[in-house]
Amino acid sequence: QSALTQPRSVSGSPGQSVTISCTGTSSDVGGYNYVSWYQQHPGKAPKLMIYEVNKRPSGVPDRFSGSKSGNTASLTISGLQAEDEADYYCCSYAGRYIVMFGGGTELTVL
Amino acid sequence: QLEESGGGLVQPGGSLRLSCAASGFTFSSNWMHWVRQAPGKGLVWVSRITSDGSNTNYADSVRGRFTISRDNAKNTLYLQMNSLRAEDTAVYYCARDAFCGGDCFDYWGQGTLVSVSS
Repeated sequence: QSALTQPRSVSGSPGQSVTISCTGTSSDVGGYNYVSWYQQHPGKAPKLMIYEVNKRPSGVPDRFSGSKSGNTASLTISGLQAEDEADYYCCSYAGRYIVMFGGGTELTVL
Repeated sequence: QLEESGGGLVQPGGSLRLSCAASGFTFSSNWMHWVRQAPGKGLVWVSRITSDGSNTNYADSVRGRFTISRDNAKNTLYLQMNSLRAEDTAVYYCARDAFCGGDCFDYWGQGTLVSVSS
């Protein structure tokens, strides 16, 4: 069970857009539309931002959007704000009742 | 709200039982999970239990050593951890399944730290 592959870090200036990728295989990301994304600020519990590839829970700003193409899912944050600076994790169902997370991406708002 | 307890320092080979007290929702309606995070590292899914406790699943790294269970009358989730290893050192979070496809977690506790060291 290897973790999904995410870039270690991304950065952007306030107001810009950034995209975080999450690459898996046909057995996980590519095999199911069951990708979710979590935001985690230092010392805090993770927060659900996107589920089932592109659905937003109530209360999550529409600046956050998700997509998927083949074995790669993406989280896009538009209109970047200082409070978006955090770690972001993707997560996918991997069959056989197993769930996998990505290694995490540190977002820096310049 | 979810509140974990039971973490602490334990020697390799030892055992520990974590608890997660739930409130503010109908605990018996939701599947529940444990997710862990080693210091400075990423999230790792550990285990899942269905709403009535009849089915459980585990990550390969803990299968055979950890046991997830729940007491719906007490609104409490448990994780019994045996044969602990140094690599089990992590903050352990309990998380509520949000009824989405393929599992997603909409509420998390603040975590409890488990340290395995001699």
